[in-house]
Amino acid sequence: DGGITQSPKYLFRKEGQNVTLSCEQNLNHDAMYWYRQDPGQGLRLIYYSQIVNDFQKGDIAEGYSVSREKKESFPLTVTSAQKNPTAFYLCASTGNAGSPLKQYFGPGTRLTVT
Amino acid sequence: QQQVKQSPQSLIVQKGGIPIINCAYENTAFDYFPWYQQFPGKGPALLIAIRPDVSEKKEGRFTISFNKSAKQFSLHIMDSQPGDSATYFCAASMEGAQKLVFGQGTRLTINP
Repeated sequence: DGGITQSPKYLFRKEGQNVTLSCEQNLNHDAMYWYRQDPGQGLRLIYYSQIVNDFQKGDIAEGYSVSREKKESFPLTVTSAQKNPTAFYLCASTGNAGSPLKQYFGPGTRLTVT
Repeated sequence: QQQVKQSPQSLIVQKGGIPIINCAYENTAFDYFPWYQQFPGKGPALLIAIRPDVSEKKEGRFTISFNKSAKQFSLHIMDSQPGDSATYFCAASMEGAQKLVFGQGTRLTINP
């Protein structure tokens, strides 16, 4: 059963703690992405990675970090430096070289920080 | 110039009506325009997409209309059903791009 897995679905943390969100894909996709979605808002790009061991900042990278040690995995760490971490986090991936940019999304992780 | 502007922000339609969601862009290099559908608490899913070499594309009850000269494209949902209630996002990308540019989203409600 191919797709993108995000775990856990719900995550609760105390303010000041770092937290890592998991994203795994078995689609053999090269590119992976992390988005943040706030209630009633659009999708804001946090980080993306085109290949293993390489990644680029998106529009709102401050307070977040990522790693891409394996093709199938792209974990996102929400650090204590992120001022408003409570949000719905979406991981996505795209197929390999060439247009068009068909992006597939995971089911999301809802993070609540109190 | 990288923005995609989507309207309206929210839309309420009676069952059987035809909701229309509009998007506009500035960058004429964009050559791929997908629409995503997102149900509450779920990730977005690709619904339908169009390239600028055609003016219309239909898939079931969903139709994209594309106006290249006006740099606008829109999503129409025929015979809308309560199950179509969701948030819809338009997006755009260009040859060689590494990421999609998303519109702000439209929350659509279809009343029974």
